[in-house]
Formats: sequence, structure tokens, C-alpha cells
Amino acid sequence: SQKIEQNSEALNIQEGKTATLTCNYTNYSPAYLQWYRQDPGRGPVFLLLIRENEKEKRKERLKVTFDTTLKQSLFHITASQPADSATYLCALVTAGNTGKLIFGQGTTLQVKP
Amino acid sequence: SQTIHQWPATLVQPVGSPLSLECTVEGTSNPNLYWYRQAAGRGLQLLFYSVGIGQISSEVPQNLSASRPQDRQFILSSKKLLLSDSGFYLCAWSSYSTEAFFGQGTRLTVV
Repeated sequence: SQKIEQNSEALNIQEGKTATLTCNYTNYSPAYLQWYRQDPGRGPVFLLLIRENEKEKRKERLKVTFDTTLKQSLFHITASQPADSATYLCALVTAGNTGKLIFGQGTTLQVKP
Repeated sequence: SQTIHQWPATLVQPVGSPLSLECTVEGTSNPNLYWYRQAAGRGLQLLFYSVGIGQISSEVPQNLSASRPQDRQFILSSKKLLLSDSGFYLCAWSSYSTEAFFGQGTRLTVV
């Protein structure tokens, strides 16, 4: 069956450290993969997109990697701050332009001062 | 610029009553449109998506239906709500190969 899996356990780190979140998928052939941030009671907000032919993407303190062999994406936040505390969701769109956007269950990050 | 409107923000409905949630998008044409549901502390479950007027794909058999009567309008409906329909409903739009933009969400409580 098709699955998108993120670590369901909350990730607690100290301010200033690098947070690394994992997204694994099975039985999908994604055209591209996205990462979103969601705060309580709000809709997700887009952060980064990486295509199947890209290995790495960066935006300020954020970095995403995409390994289609391992079927995994890693999301890094460097020099983390308490304001980075939120739930982070990965999402993928399958190849073939079906328009179907599927989300993982999200990982909650808590950055302690 | 593009905007997405979803209403109402909160809704309390009795079991067995009908439901209609509306979502409209401005500033873009022929968007992909989505309805998601999120249970407390859980991820986003894709309910319906649409790539064009009248084209609806249903992901999960359930007590809900969706319609797209106009290019930028997406409606989520139910004829008779169940307790299990309670949740946080999110509408979103995207164009292929770009990010998705979400509405503010509707917190539905069925009592």
C-alpha cells in the first residue's frame, strides 16, 4: 500500500541546534516533494519544494534533501529558534499530473530556549 | 495576487443535519482544488480533489460529497452529518508544480 511516513514522536531540541525531520514514502513515484509548516488551529504554510531530479534545496536556514533511491526526504532547520516550534508536514505530488497532493501526518518540533 | 476564502471558521451542527462548506479562490484560473480533514493531533487526510469544473476525485469512502460548479468554487457537502464527521476542514488550491495555498479552515463539531 502507499504510505507517507513522518516520525510521529515530537522532536525536542535546544535553541541553536539543527533540527532534522524525516519523511519516508513507499509505493509512490513523486514528481516533487514539499514541506509545510502548520501552527495550531491554522492551515499549513508552504516552505520548500524539491523536484525528483534535485538532490538538495536551500532557503535561508532551511534545507531539504530528496533521495529517490532511499525514498526519503530530510528537512533541516539550522540555528533553530523557539519561533520554529510548530508541526512540519511533508507532501508529495505523484508523477503524471494527477493533481493529487498527499500529506504525511507531520512531526511536531519543540525548540527550547 | 491570489487569495482563498473558506467559511465559516467554526460550525456546530446536530447529528443528521446537512452541511455545506464553501471555498472560493481569487486571482488564478483553472486551479487544482482540494478538501482535507484533520483530526486533532493528526495529519491531513485528503477527502476530494478537483483538476477542473465538474471533475471530482474522491479519496475516501465517506458521508461527504464535493462539487465544483465554477472554476474557482469548491463545495463540501453532506446530507446527514455523523458524529465522526467532526474535525478541522481545510480547503486548498494549487497549480501543478507549485505550492498549495490553504484557507483558514473550518472547525466542525457535530453534536
